Amino acid sequence: QSVLTQPPSASGTPGQRVTVSCSGSSSNVGSNFVNWYQLLPGTAPKLLIYGINQRPSGVPARFSGSRSGTSASLAISGLQSEDEATYYCSAWDDSLNGPVFGGGTKVTVL
Amino acid sequence: QLQLQESGPGLVKPSETLSLSCTVSGAYIDSSPSLWGWIRQSPGKGLEWIGTVYSDGTTYYNPSLKSRVTISVDTSRNQFSLSLTSVTAADTSLYYCARLPSAASYFDFWGQGTLVTVSS
Repeated sequence: QSVLTQPPSASGTPGQRVTVSCSGSSSNVGSNFVNWYQLLPGTAPKLLIYGINQRPSGVPARFSGSRSGTSASLAISGLQSEDEATYYCSAWDDSLNGPVFGGGTKVTVL
Repeated sequence: QLQLQESGPGLVKPSETLSLSCTVSGAYIDSSPSLWGWIRQSPGKGLEWIGTVYSDGTTYYNPSLKSRVTISVDTSRNQFSLSLTSVTAADTSLYYCARLPSAASYFDFWGQGTLVTVSS
């Protein structure tokens, strides 16, 4: 049971906008920055979004993040085939004094 | 470009100790105010933070694993290591090492991960 709650799957056709939700609590998402990672089998996880809506160098602008209260979202605009991956949200947890993660959402490009 | 690479046995017997190392290349572990951490992903489950260590040896552990975990750093080898004692099948996971920039809440560079199976 992950501390942050994500839907197990999401899907869309090429070009569509897909969103992935992440629900937490006041000790993590509600009070600290939310980060998102992209995981592809056999490769190192990739930091996609940090500080709620900041993109590291090289991450396409079609990826964006937002937060409202104790929930956060990752949006992929203009979905591409290479975006098929599992996405994890994460946030610092003040109670744990460490990062917590969601269970991951597998995004499928139809 | 910073790179991290996990290494260690892929199979550990129940009740024994799991030991992994992470070799850092592209930067010196003690050259920047960063933390170095271990994260795992159990089959069919999400990511779980295990703990982090500063280059001076200061450690922070997940309370759920704290009694069994030791993370240490070897600046002479530019490595940091994970030791997890009294393992059970529940510790079977893909183990990742990663860097946590100082004052940040995210891991910006990760290793590819190494699968450790606990089985007799």
